[in-house]
Amino acid sequence: GALVYQYPRRTICKSGTSMRMECQAVGFQATSVAWYRQSPQKTFELIALSTVNSAIKYEQNFTQEKFPISHPNLSFSSMTVLNAYLEDRGLYLCGAKTGYEQYFGPGTRLTVL
Amino acid sequence: TQTVSQSDAHVTVFEGDSVELRCNYSYGGSIYLSWYIQHHGHGLQFLLKYYSGNPVVQGVNGFEAEFSKSDSSFHLRKASVHWSDSAVYFCAVSAPGNTGKLIFGLGTTLQVQP
Repeated sequence: GALVYQYPRRTICKSGTSMRMECQAVGFQATSVAWYRQSPQKTFELIALSTVNSAIKYEQNFTQEKFPISHPNLSFSSMTVLNAYLEDRGLYLCGAKTGYEQYFGPGTRLTVL
Repeated sequence: TQTVSQSDAHVTVFEGDSVELRCNYSYGGSIYLSWYIQHHGHGLQFLLKYYSGNPVVQGVNGFEAEFSKSDSSFHLRKASVHWSDSAVYFCAVSAPGNTGKLIFGLGTTLQVQP
């Protein structure tokens, strides 16, 4: 079956530090990977959409300088939260798409102290 | 611009009751609609989707949803809920050409009381 793994599941970092999270698609070849953030008590916001061999497209409130993404192949993507602050806390979801199906990982929950 | 509206922030029912969670969207072209469930502290689980064909789609765990173009709706229903159905439900819309971008509603918290 199609699965999406995310690592780590939970992480805590000090304010101003950075942390990297990973996303792995297993059982299918993802044509695109989308990174979302769910801030506390909110819905899911798209951070960026990454398609292999194409430029990564960031949404209006998110930048490559803050959330650099690497998507080297069809099954793996990583995103770093640089200089994390309190407003960056939340659940970061990776969604890997193939055809019309989009599969989500369990998320990486980021706590910023 | 695509938008998704979930008019009910909270819905409370008793176990065994039927439930309908509402979702309305705005988009002029071909559309892909889906529902996801988020249990407390977890990520998103896929429930069902609609792109074309039969407007009533069946999902996992007895859920179904009905697409209505005239009402711009994609309401989620279940005939008899179980306490384990308590969770937050998200409706999402995506235009096929967007290659993976989903726009989510604000979510509806379903609480099933014993």
